[in-house]
Amino acid sequence: NAGVTQTPKFRVLKTGQSMTLLCAQDMNHEYMYWYRQDPGMGLRLIHYSVGEGTTAKGEVPDGYNVSRLKKQNFLLGLESAAPSQTSVYFCASSYFGGGSPLFGPGTRLLVL
Amino acid sequence: AQSVTQLGSHVSVSEGALVLLRCNYSSSVPPYLFWYVQYPNQGLQLLLKYTTGATLVKGINGFEAEFKKSETSFHLTKPSAHMSDAAEYFCAVSDSGGYNKLIFGAGTRLAVHP
Repeated sequence: NAGVTQTPKFRVLKTGQSMTLLCAQDMNHEYMYWYRQDPGMGLRLIHYSVGEGTTAKGEVPDGYNVSRLKKQNFLLGLESAAPSQTSVYFCASSYFGGGSPLFGPGTRLLVL
Repeated sequence: AQSVTQLGSHVSVSEGALVLLRCNYSSSVPPYLFWYVQYPNQGLQLLLKYTTGATLVKGINGFEAEFKKSETSFHLTKPSAHMSDAAEYFCAVSDSGGYNKLIFGAGTRLAVHP
């Protein structure tokens, strides 16, 4: 099993550009999440999904959109990137019930 | 509202010394508690978690944590630090809204000196 994979690993954007981050998991997990990590703030939940075709807002959803058209994939979109979205983005997944989220390797995004 | 406070953003210990990383939480419901470790330029790896039952939880790499309800604490310890333990450590509490969502502390960076 590859676990949780994220694409790309690193990206530089200019303010106003758009991009999509891809997360894939091969463990048949029901739940998937997008977090952002900023220095001194730990990880904060952006959006999450509890099953194929579902999405919900987390703590810091503004400026992001998500989609989960297939159970194994969870996409995070930035429609118009802003410097405040410079961060490291982590995807995670877990199974239904009390499973511990398993994290991907992260995507480092720099918005100039 | 639920929250996690990690005391000390940076902790430095000598190799072979005791490691103690502090975590306090607030939760309106019985919490599930977690410790994750992040090595440089990597994702988060689960060290250990507490759900119910025994309050002393053993994890990987010789780490353990004790859930103390009266103190709302879940401190992480390791009897003897190794150079390879240098990393950032995150304490987290399960969100009362369910779905295994986590609320994280700000993290503690552990340095281990020879």
